[in-house]
Amino acid sequence: EVQLLESGGGLVQPGGSLRLSCAASGFTFNTYAMSWVRQAPGKGLEWVSGITGSGRSTYVADSVKGRFTISRDNSNNTLYLEMNSLRAEDTALYYCAKAASTGSYYGMGVWGQGTTVTVSS
Amino acid sequence: DIQMTQSPSTLSASVGDRVTITCRASQSLVGWLAWYQQKPGKAPKLLIDKASTLESGVPSRFSGSGYATEFTLTISSLQPDDFATYFCQQYNSYPFTFGGGTKVETK
Repeated sequence: EVQLLESGGGLVQPGGSLRLSCAASGFTFNTYAMSWVRQAPGKGLEWVSGITGSGRSTYVADSVKGRFTISRDNSNNTLYLEMNSLRAEDTALYYCAKAASTGSYYGMGVWGQGTTVTVSS
Repeated sequence: DIQMTQSPSTLSASVGDRVTITCRASQSLVGWLAWYQQKPGKAPKLLIDKASTLESGVPSRFSGSGYATEFTLTISSLQPDDFATYFCQQYNSYPFTFGGGTKVETK
């Protein structure tokens, strides 16, 4: 069974940093692109960042460019999101998601349950 | 960035109704569009990929259609389990973007 388990969320002050992790199991991790998607309380979905299966290519939303970095450890089947210079508007539930297929174009076929990030003083 | 405009934002319907949700893209996606269902307190679930491919296990009352800039999600006969929020998402180019969502509620 494919499983994604996020961790690392919490309460952080504005300007602070957090590192989110997503432990993957049940599939060949290094063959699938992965993404981080967030959802602010009561709001819609916002794609944050994506990374190819090899980890060679990464992509980020304009709203987090220069502050967030996505990475992966294929030897340990883990996806990361390093978040710096956090702002109140980064407060959200952060999901990791697995590509539905191994191609270059993909929907997000499996999602974790999310980890909550709250940015507040 | 590609903008995704989803309508309506809220839809009131009854069990048995045919429901249609529309998603428009600011530029052509070819067919690279997904539809998701989200229930309160739960992660989104992929329903339809590549505009019209039904995911395994998704009831056949769900269907997707469209190409280029206009796409639709149709529920042929709304069931009690279908009251939820639905999102479209383009993956034609980065940054991926979602529509604003459509909440399907009881009339």
